[in-house]
Amino acid sequence: DQQVKQNSPSLSVQEGRISILNCDYTNSMFDYFLWYKKYPAEGPTFLISISSIKDKNEDGRFTVFLNKSAKHLSLHIVPSQPGDSAVYFCAATGTSGTYKYIFGTGTRLKVLA
Amino acid sequence: EPEVTQTPSHQVTQMGQEVILRCVPISNHLYFYWYRQILGQKVEFLVSFYNNEISEKSEIFDDQFSVERPDGSNFTLKIRSTKLEDSAMYFCASKDGTGIEKLFFGSGTQLSVL
Repeated sequence: DQQVKQNSPSLSVQEGRISILNCDYTNSMFDYFLWYKKYPAEGPTFLISISSIKDKNEDGRFTVFLNKSAKHLSLHIVPSQPGDSAVYFCAATGTSGTYKYIFGTGTRLKVLA
Repeated sequence: EPEVTQTPSHQVTQMGQEVILRCVPISNHLYFYWYRQILGQKVEFLVSFYNNEISEKSEIFDDQFSVERPDGSNFTLKIRSTKLEDSAMYFCASKDGTGIEKLFFGSGTQLSVL
């Protein structure tokens, strides 16, 4: 049962352009969402998060959008830089009844110089 | 910045052997987790631990797995009798428990079962 899905396994973007990574979820109990970035042989590092009471959260070049009715979130990176090349995971959790964070399958972003 | 520390970074073992993966979570954190990632696949939840007991576990976390917080700083994952399919990168994570917060992950232990 894949509760968090990232349907694009990979994405290539030119340096300076916008990268848009998408994530869908199925569990209505999820109300807190996070994006993590992962380099090979390293642990995931936190990028940005959003609570379900918001529809947008911005931190520098990174913006996360949440569409609760569609159970969809996206991460926008603008402008994209070669150092952004990594695997991006979205994750979801609920504020009650669970401690676990469910991760998606990841999207490999390649930013071309 | 404080970090989660995992040792060893690589562990090679024979099938059927016991392994213990070690983690030192961030010192004021209250919730501890183990996740794993089989090569090229998603990061999978194994178990969460709070107040000296398991708070939640996945179907993967069967009787071959156990976790322990033997002292005030270490958090360990034991696999009693390893199988080939246990080969994966194992990540420890922690959070401070004041609300809904981000998980901080260690750099992982690559377990190879031969």
